[in-house]
Amino acid sequence: QVQLQQWGAGLLKPSETLSLTCGVYGGSFSAYYWSWIRQPPGKGLEWIGEINHSGSTTYNPSLKSRVTISVDTSRTQFSLNLTSMTAADTAVYYCARFAHDYGGDFWGQGTLVTVSS
Amino acid sequence: SYELTQPPSVSVSPGHTARITCSGDALPKQYAYWYQQKPGQAPVLVIYKDSERPSGIPERFSGSSSGTTVTLTISGVQAEDEADYYCQSGDSSSTYMVFGGGTKLTVL
Repeated sequence: QVQLQQWGAGLLKPSETLSLTCGVYGGSFSAYYWSWIRQPPGKGLEWIGEINHSGSTTYNPSLKSRVTISVDTSRTQFSLNLTSMTAADTAVYYCARFAHDYGGDFWGQGTLVTVSS
Repeated sequence: SYELTQPPSVSVSPGHTARITCSGDALPKQYAYWYQQKPGQAPVLVIYKDSERPSGIPERFSGSSSGTTVTLTISGVQAEDEADYYCQSGDSSSTYMVFGGGTKLTVL
C-alpha cells in the first residue's frame, strides 16, 4: 500500500521560507509525478508545482518566482521550498502522487502552515 | 491564467441525482479529474479521464464531457456524499495543472 507522509515547520514569521518534505512509502517512485498543493482555510485547492524522479519540474506561474521543488530518489522523498512567506500563504499544504491520465490517487495527510508575526 | 469554473453550491435530496459542472476552454483537449473532500481530510479521486471510476469508488459516481464542460453525476445521493467536490485539469498546452474553485454538495 502506498503512503505519503509529510513533515515540516507549521509556524513561520513573515519573510521566512517554508520547507516541507514528503516521504513516499511503497509503490514505484519513478513512474509518477510528485506534486504540492495547498488550501487556504475555508478556500479551494491550489496547485503549487510538481517534479518527477529525474528532477524535471513544473510550477504554477503565479508562484514560480518563490517556489523550488526538489527530489531525493535515494530516500524516495521530495521537498517544497517557498520563500518570502506572507499571511496570504497560510494554508494546509498537501503532497500528492499524480499518474499520467490518472490524477492524484495518493495524498499526504496535510500540514497546516501559519504565517504570523 | 487558465481557470476552471464550478458552481459554489449544489443541493439535493437523498436518493435523487446531483450534477456538478466544471467549465474551461481547454476541456475539449484535456482530461478532467474529480475529487471529493470531506472536512479535515485530504481529497479523494472519484473520477479520472473524464468518466473513468477508480477502484473502490461506488458506481453511483459517474463523469461525462461535452465541449467545454465536464459533469460529475452522483446518482441516488446518500448522506455520506455531502462534501466539497473539485474538478482538475491542465491548460491547453499541458504546461500546468489547475483546480476548479470547488462545489459544496449539500444533502438536504
